[in-house]
Amino acid sequence: DTAVSQTPKYLVTQMGNDKSIKCEQNLGHDTMYWYKQDSKKFLKIMFSYNNKELIINETVPNRFSPKSPDKAHLNLHINSLELGDSAVYFCASSHRAYNEQFFGPGTRLTVL
Amino acid sequence: GDSVVQTEGQVLPSEGDSLIVNCSYETTQYPSLFWYVQYPGEGPQLHLKAMKANDKGRNKGFEAMYRKETTSFHLEKDSVQESDSAVYFCARDNQAGTALIFGKGTTLSVSS
Repeated sequence: DTAVSQTPKYLVTQMGNDKSIKCEQNLGHDTMYWYKQDSKKFLKIMFSYNNKELIINETVPNRFSPKSPDKAHLNLHINSLELGDSAVYFCASSHRAYNEQFFGPGTRLTVL
Repeated sequence: GDSVVQTEGQVLPSEGDSLIVNCSYETTQYPSLFWYVQYPGEGPQLHLKAMKANDKGRNKGFEAMYRKETTSFHLEKDSVQESDSAVYFCARDNQAGTALIFGKGTTLSVSS
């Protein structure tokens, strides 16, 4: 009965590759998010989707493209991976009006 | 601005010590305020929250008072335990109410 799940948990890949991270929530929330946590633990919003529509796109390279096929899923596709993309990526969800966010377990991306 | 500033780095109390982790927010409005806790290998999870001035969030012996006059939301506990060891993030919602803005995190390491 996992609330917010992400796959994979670990992702190790070479520079220049394209990869995707998947996220699913079974909480019935209408808003989903992607955050990036760097090596110093700093958490920063990347994207926010409400009812499958993009509502926030922070200053993120356009190599990162989120896709929301339905309200329960928000996937993150990354093209031409760079060393600086290495981080832990967290998916989260909420009811927009309350903004109490529930986070997934994270995906640790390592670019070699 | 929308920033959150909290005690940075590590805090190293012994079991039974009292604790204060400072958090201040910059704002032209009055946001909802949160403390999130992150245990190793997991995503952040909501620890406590306060929606408006003079509200007090409480959880597991921790408290934080939403103070409008000092724009603060300090996390306090009378007597910490080793199991409280984790990274704590102060957060606020942004002015549009569409995402969370996190402080840089405080690592609490309680020694027995």
